Formats: sequence, structure tokens, C-alpha cells
Amino acid sequence: GQNIDQPTEMTATEGAIVQINCTYQTSGFNGLFWYQQHAGEAPTFLSYNVLDGLEEKGRFSSFLSRSKGYSYLLLKELQMKDSASYLCAVRDDSSGTYKYIFGTGTRLKVLA
Amino acid sequence: DSGVTQTPKHLITATGQRVTLRCSPRSGDLSVYWYQQSLDQGLQFLIQYYNGEERAKGNILERFSAQQFPDLHSELNLSSLELGDSALYFCASSVDDREAKNIQYFGAGTRLSVL
Repeated sequence: GQNIDQPTEMTATEGAIVQINCTYQTSGFNGLFWYQQHAGEAPTFLSYNVLDGLEEKGRFSSFLSRSKGYSYLLLKELQMKDSASYLCAVRDDSSGTYKYIFGTGTRLKVLA
Repeated sequence: DSGVTQTPKHLITATGQRVTLRCSPRSGDLSVYWYQQSLDQGLQFLIQYYNGEERAKGNILERFSAQQFPDLHSELNLSSLELGDSALYFCASSVDDREAKNIQYFGAGTRLSVL
């Protein structure tokens, strides 16, 4: 079947580093996306991985291991505005069409 | 601003009624996706259109239907509404879903309340 797991909630301190993990099971994996969603707002794209390794983009980095079905999003130098939900999403091409499966999201609280 | 426009922003209606949600994609985007997000739930993929044709179907109920028009805007129709249909409905658009790095840009959503 298709499944994505993320921790429900995390708390970190301003200025710190936090790692949000995502594990997935899908038969037709073709890319993993991370989106940020502030409460009541639209998700916005953060990063994309399709090959194993680390993608760095400013304060945010994302890592993928396809063999382990595992990804993480690393947020450095945390700011208060980083308090949001972080959604892991997998593109699945197993059914001949392209489907996007989203995890339930990890709610990150950044404390002063 | 993502460039994706959804109307209305809020909708309050009664059980048994029918509503239509509208989405205008970013200029140049051919794919439109519809998602449902209930309280404390992840984004549930409903349906996708590409250049007017249905491309993929997710967990969309038979009471729900959608279409994409020649001008590429899309409408999601929800009928025989139930209390459990209360949720945030998001529309997203992307350039071309055939590319693996297919970034979706989300509209601000329509908050549906069924009373």
C-alpha cells in the first residue's frame, strides 16, 4: 500500500536546528516534496528530492534515501516565523498516472 | 501570492445542499489538482485534470465531481452535503505533470462549513 509517516508535533528553540523525519512506502516512487503550511494558509513548496542525497537551499536542507524509504527536512537557525506544519509528499507513478500522497504533517513550534 | 485563485474563500451551507468551488490556475499551468484537508488531517488528493482531461483520481466520493474548462479554470462540485464534508478545499496547479519535479502551487483554499 501507500503510506507516509511523520511525527505529529515537534518543539524547538529559536536559533536551534531541527530535523523533521518522513518515512514512506510506495511502489512507484518518483520524487519526494516538502511543503510548509502556516495555520489556515496554503502549502508552499520548500524542496524536492528524487535521487539519494542532500539538497541544500539556504537555511533549509532535505535528504533522501530511496533504499530506506526515508527523508528528512533540516531547518537551521530557526526563526519564530518557521512555526508551521511541514508536509512530506511523495509522487507515486505506480498506477500509470501520477498521484501525490501527502503525510499528515509535522507541526513545528519555535519557542523564544 | 501563488497566482492560483480560489473562490469563494468561505462557504456556509446546510446538509443536503450542493455547492461549487472554483479555481483559476496560474497563467501557463495546464494541470489542476483538488485536495481536501479536514481538521488535523493531511491533504487528501481528490482529483487531477490536465489540459481539460481527467488525469488521476484519488479518494473522491461519488457525490463529488469536477471538471476543467477550455480556459483551464476548474470547478469542484459537492452535492448531498454531509457534516463530514466540512473542510478546507485546496486547488493547486502546475505546469506539466509529466515532469517528476512537478511543483504544485496552491491557492488560498475554500473553507466549507456544512451545518
